[in-house]
Amino acid sequence: GAGVSQSPSNKVTEKGKDVELRCDPISGHTALYWYRQSLGQGLEFLIYFQGNSAPDKSGLPSDRFSAERTGGSVSTLTIQRTQQEDSAVYLCASSPQGRRTEAFFGQGTRLTVV
Amino acid sequence: DQQVKQNSPSLSVQEGRISILNCDYTNSMFDYFLWYKKYPAEGPTFLISISSIKDKNEDGRFTVFLNKSAKHLSLHIVPSQPGDSAVYFCAASPGGTSYGKLTFGQGTILTVHP
Repeated sequence: GAGVSQSPSNKVTEKGKDVELRCDPISGHTALYWYRQSLGQGLEFLIYFQGNSAPDKSGLPSDRFSAERTGGSVSTLTIQRTQQEDSAVYLCASSPQGRRTEAFFGQGTRLTVV
Repeated sequence: DQQVKQNSPSLSVQEGRISILNCDYTNSMFDYFLWYKKYPAEGPTFLISISSIKDKNEDGRFTVFLNKSAKHLSLHIVPSQPGDSAVYFCAASPGGTSYGKLTFGQGTILTVHP
């Protein structure tokens, strides 16, 4: 399809393990965003990329969280030493150059840390 | 500190009537506002946006109103349809290099009854 694709759609991991979440943005979109939604909460900004650089990383909750984007396309969000409070739906979005913040979201990755 | 607030967790409306969803913000640096709709197990879908230089933007059945002095925006859906039943999020973006950092409200669950 032509939309934002995230994988896996569901991930169950044991506390203390590392996880990687992948996002394939819409082709040609220069901006890429990561958000998360915890149970009963609104969407929380994590990080965004313009091309391969990340102008704003202020939303990353701790140094266990990191993200990279290569080739101006695919992005990976890595959570090290997962904790139960990391359980959430992690959403990726992308937007085209010049359309500022009209972001198109993927279906999300539901992460459960047990 | 909740910078974007949707004070009504839910709204119930009869089909054909008007739905009005409200949103308040506190950060005067926000200069671009958006509404997203979200169905269960899907990512949010962009609906409509408004720049702070305007006070109204209309797209079909959807109209967004912005009152900067009151730091308040609202989404009007006329006429409401059962397919509009979803969670609605308002979001705000600052200008400058942090434009990609959307701050979302908690969401309002809209139910449109046939």
